[in-house]
Amino acid sequence: QVQLQESGPGLVKPSGTLSLTCAVSGGSTSSSNWWSWVRQPPGKGLEWIGEIFHSGTANYNPSLKSRVTISVDKSKNHFSLELSFLTAADTAVYYCARLNLDWYFDLWGRGTLVTVSS
Amino acid sequence: QTVVTQEPSFSVSPGGTVTLTCALSSGSVSTSYYASWYQQTPGQAPRTLIYNTNIRSSGVPDRFSGSILGNEAALTITGAQADDESDYYCVLYMGSGTVVFGGGTKLTVL
Repeated sequence: QVQLQESGPGLVKPSGTLSLTCAVSGGSTSSSNWWSWVRQPPGKGLEWIGEIFHSGTANYNPSLKSRVTISVDKSKNHFSLELSFLTAADTAVYYCARLNLDWYFDLWGRGTLVTVSS
Repeated sequence: QTVVTQEPSFSVSPGGTVTLTCALSSGSVSTSYYASWYQQTPGQAPRTLIYNTNIRSSGVPDRFSGSILGNEAALTITGAQADDESDYYCVLYMGSGTVVFGGGTKLTVL
């Protein structure tokens, strides 16, 4: 059974860069899926951040595109998120998720809370 | 950027039927948008309910159904139960490999 697990710092400073990794177990990042990041600020709704295919092709939310990089490391079977120029508005639970080729999320990590604060 | 709109909140009586909708700020939702629906309870990751407009995900009770109603995607819960009280989100495929979440609907069962 495929599982996703996020990891990374829970506290980052304003103007800094958030770096998270999602480990894929029981499956392969080389499979035909889009490996995605979704976030949810406290008390608010879900927001798609972006996705990457095993080929390295990535797509991003236009509202975040200038600050986001998603990468995949097939040798380590994980994919990663970097979000730069952080503000308090980036405080959120960050989920990694698998986006199926039929354009729906069929697998989710448990999420990790990242707080942006000095 | 296109906005996807859902009712902020909805209330249904136990055993009742409720239809939640997912609309585009510009244009009509069709099957080409591959509408999907997710249920989320506090502190939990979302759970996939419906994909490709009307296909139930594995293990989802048949009281949940998806459709296109008019120019919107819709999620109908028939025979609502107390544990259906959750937040519900739709996702639409916008083309060029991008998806958008709706703002979510908080469903109360009382």
